[in-house]
Amino acid sequence: EAEVAQSPRYKITEKSQAVAFWCDPISGHATLYWYRQILGQGPELLVQFQDESVVDDSQLPKDRFSAERLKGVDSTLKIQPAELGDSAMYLCASRAERTQYFGPGTRLLVL
Amino acid sequence: AQKITQTQPGMFVQEKEAVTLDCTYDTSDQSYGLFWYKQPSSGEMIFLIYQGSYDEQNATEGRYSLNFQKARKSANLVISASQLGDSAMYFCAMREEGYTGTASKLTFGTGTRLQVTL
Repeated sequence: EAEVAQSPRYKITEKSQAVAFWCDPISGHATLYWYRQILGQGPELLVQFQDESVVDDSQLPKDRFSAERLKGVDSTLKIQPAELGDSAMYLCASRAERTQYFGPGTRLLVL
Repeated sequence: AQKITQTQPGMFVQEKEAVTLDCTYDTSDQSYGLFWYKQPSSGEMIFLIYQGSYDEQNATEGRYSLNFQKARKSANLVISASQLGDSAMYFCAMREEGYTGTASKLTFGTGTRLQVTL
């Protein structure tokens, strides 16, 4: 069964450093999402792509976060510089018709 | 704005028993979708079940069923014959049923931690 791939699974970094996360959606899924999940809360959308175009980035902290999906397939989410409050799970999802399928996530710890 | 409320931070259920996880929602949209996801300790969000706002029948997927009461704006998840592997966080979520290509994010509740005991 096709799955959403994410790497790395875990990342520990120091504040003010740059970090990057990668996501490969299920083949053929045009819509891709990045969510952030703070401990004890539900995921919240950071950015949504339709093919290579950003559809919704209203909750993306653009002073430090950036996201791209250059060829409309895989995607990279970057944080520079990382802050202590960025410690969270970063989840990627792709959509087929009505359902979003999530990857295993990247757990980020900022020290 | 859409809002999902899950009032049960934690629930216990004995193996083989049924359990209901509560979810209420608030939206001004007429067309929307309701979802339940399971999140084990590994972190992955696993899709369980979907209910469309215009669906007349309650959704069922194996041991999962969704008790949809539109007038009360509730979408409770029922798990029958609980198994030890059902122990996890469960999230209710909602999405506006927009056209493909428009913003279609999921809005999640805060989750309910289910613990299945022997």
